[in-house]
Amino acid sequence: DAKTTQPPSMDCAEGRAANLPCNHSTISGNEYVYWYRQIHSQGPQYIIHGLKNNETNEMASLIITEDRKSSTLILPHATLRDTAVYYCIVRVKNYGGSQGNLIFGKGTKLSVKP
Amino acid sequence: NAGVTQTPKFRVLKTGQSMTLLCAQDMNHEYMYWYRQDPGMGLRLIHYSVGEGTTAKGEVPDGYNVSRLKKQNFLLGLESAAPSQTSVYFCASSLRQRGAFFGQGTRLTVV
Repeated sequence: DAKTTQPPSMDCAEGRAANLPCNHSTISGNEYVYWYRQIHSQGPQYIIHGLKNNETNEMASLIITEDRKSSTLILPHATLRDTAVYYCIVRVKNYGGSQGNLIFGKGTKLSVKP
Repeated sequence: NAGVTQTPKFRVLKTGQSMTLLCAQDMNHEYMYWYRQDPGMGLRLIHYSVGEGTTAKGEVPDGYNVSRLKKQNFLLGLESAAPSQTSVYFCASSLRQRGAFFGQGTRLTVV
């Protein structure tokens, strides 16, 4: 079973920041938070991951609370092309067994509107 | 750089037929995975491999077999297809420390 809880859907106005929340209250100390997205019916696309510090790359920012029980993915200036299902996943990073597998939940369907 | 390539992209099978889905990656990744995605659902892990010659079961392995004879290839086999195996199949690969790269999917219909 997925170890995360996400809202099923969210809307965002084009050009505004999209903030996607994720709860992972049972996360273990050696588990990382990963974010992927799936546009239409394409293969999922890796976005970002982090352990406890906030992370930023060219696609998004990841804010993880101090207790690590929740996180927020931020798309700073959402465009219509960011409309997708966003998945939040927790997993062990140095995996050699099943703990490191990516287990997907149902994600959040983000709709970016003009 | 092709990344992860899945063959075929579409296939229609009759119940009881067999087929093999091929996944090839050119990134020298150690880990490879097969997922299935049913309408309105997230991806579910079928089988995975942590290296050449090794495979392991995921969440929903029944009715499928896999082989990883070469590091760059991961094959998914259906010995006797059933309508319940109608789905979109995704292959992925990753280095140990990084996020996974996914293929574009194989849309399989079993009639």
